[in-house]
Amino acid sequence: AQKITQTQPGMFVQEKEAVTLDCTYDTSDPSYGLFWYKQPSSGEMIFLIYQGSYDQQNATEGRYSLNFQKARKSANLVISASQLGDSAMYFCAMREGALDFGNEKLTFGTGTRLTIIP
Amino acid sequence: GAVVSQHPSWVICKSGTSVKIECRSLDFQATTMFWYRQFPKQSLMLMATSNEGSKATYEQGVEKDKFLINHASLTLSTLTVTSAHPEDSSFYICSARDLLTVYEQYFGPGTRLTVT
Repeated sequence: AQKITQTQPGMFVQEKEAVTLDCTYDTSDPSYGLFWYKQPSSGEMIFLIYQGSYDQQNATEGRYSLNFQKARKSANLVISASQLGDSAMYFCAMREGALDFGNEKLTFGTGTRLTIIP
Repeated sequence: GAVVSQHPSWVICKSGTSVKIECRSLDFQATTMFWYRQFPKQSLMLMATSNEGSKATYEQGVEKDKFLINHASLTLSTLTVTSAHPEDSSFYICSARDLLTVYEQYFGPGTRLTVT
C-alpha cells in the first residue's frame, strides 16, 4: 500500500481563492511527522509546513495551514488567498517513527501540480 | 533559513564516464544528508542516507557500487554516479538536517544529470 497518497494530479484555481490539496497517509506507527513541500519549476524543494502526530493543534504558517484529521489519516494543505506565485508542484511527505537521529528519512507522495489562474 | 547548495546544477556526460555531485550545508552542520532521485513529473525517491564518518545506508534496489556516497565532513556529502548510462539521467536532490532543528530538512537546488 502507498504510504502517502495524493489523489489530485493537477488543480486549477482562480487567483485569490483558497485551495485545498489532499493528502492521506498510511502508517501503523503512533509517532510520525507530516510535511508539505513546494517545488517550483526551478526544481528546489521549499519546506512549507510540518505537523507532528502528537500535535494537538493544526499547524499554520502564514497563508498555509494543515488540516490534520488523525482518525481519517489525512493531512490536507490549505492555501488561503492564492497568488500567481503559488503555481508549482506540491508534495506531501511523511517521516515514520519518533524523531531521532538516524530516523529522519521521508517518503513522498506523487505530488499535485497547482496552477493559479489570473 | 539554512542553505544547502549543490554543485553542479546541471551536467552532461558521456555514457561510461563517472560524475560527482556535491552537496554542502553552507551555514549549519549536518550529521545526516539524504540523496533523492526524481524522474520527470514524478516524485522524489530516496536513494540513500549519508552519515558523516560512516558508510551510507542505501535503499532497496539502489546499487551501492554504482552510486558511491561519501560524507567526509559535517558540511559535505558527495554522490558519484559511476559508469553512467542514459537511464541514470535524472534530477538528483540532496537534503540535510540541521543538528539544532527539531524536524526540518533543508533541500538543495538539485542537479540535473543527462547522460548521452
